[in-house]
Amino acid sequence: AQRVTQPEKLLSVFKGAPVELKCNYSYSGSPELFWYVQYSRQRLQLLLRHISRESIKGFTADLNKGETSFHLKKPFAQEEDSAMYYCALRPFYNQGGKLIFGQGTELSVKP
Amino acid sequence: NAGVTQTPKFQVLKTGQSMTLQCAQDMNHNSMYWYRQDPGMGLRLIYYSASEGTTDKGEVPNGYNVSRLNKREFSLRLESAAPSQTSVYFCASSPTAGAGELFFGEGSRLTVL
Repeated sequence: AQRVTQPEKLLSVFKGAPVELKCNYSYSGSPELFWYVQYSRQRLQLLLRHISRESIKGFTADLNKGETSFHLKKPFAQEEDSAMYYCALRPFYNQGGKLIFGQGTELSVKP
Repeated sequence: NAGVTQTPKFQVLKTGQSMTLQCAQDMNHNSMYWYRQDPGMGLRLIYYSASEGTTDKGEVPNGYNVSRLNKREFSLRLESAAPSQTSVYFCASSPTAGAGELFFGEGSRLTVL
């Protein structure tokens, strides 16, 4: 079965510290992976996708097919990074374009 | 630039009552989705519509029905609400079924007493 697992419900770090939000997936084919973010009182929005290989707001994520992981990293966390982060998977041959989301990790960056 | 608009934003129902959540997008997207968000469960897909005229079940369709009224609108109906349906509901759209990015509405918080 296709599944996305985010093992940490809450991650708390101090400003300036490195942050890594973990995401593991189970899928036998080649998935497309995403990170979505939901800031307080804002709608869920795309942060980055593995295909584009870009860095957004200092965040990067590398798809590791061997470990079936897509961890989100930032070297120096900022207070404005505090939000709910969701990892999501879209199976390559998916018919409906639907995304399968993980449980979410709440990131709290303390001053 | 409205994007995806959901109504109502808040609703309280009694067990057994029915209601419809409305969703409309103005981006000329083909695909639309309904998710529910519960603490510790993430977002789970209820129903989706890959294109106008088609609808399919997602992960948790029981107790819900949907209607793709036209290309812009995708409604979610609870025929007989149950406390287990207390949740935040999100509508989303994407340009095509194969396009990965979903654009979300602001959410509708539903409480069933």
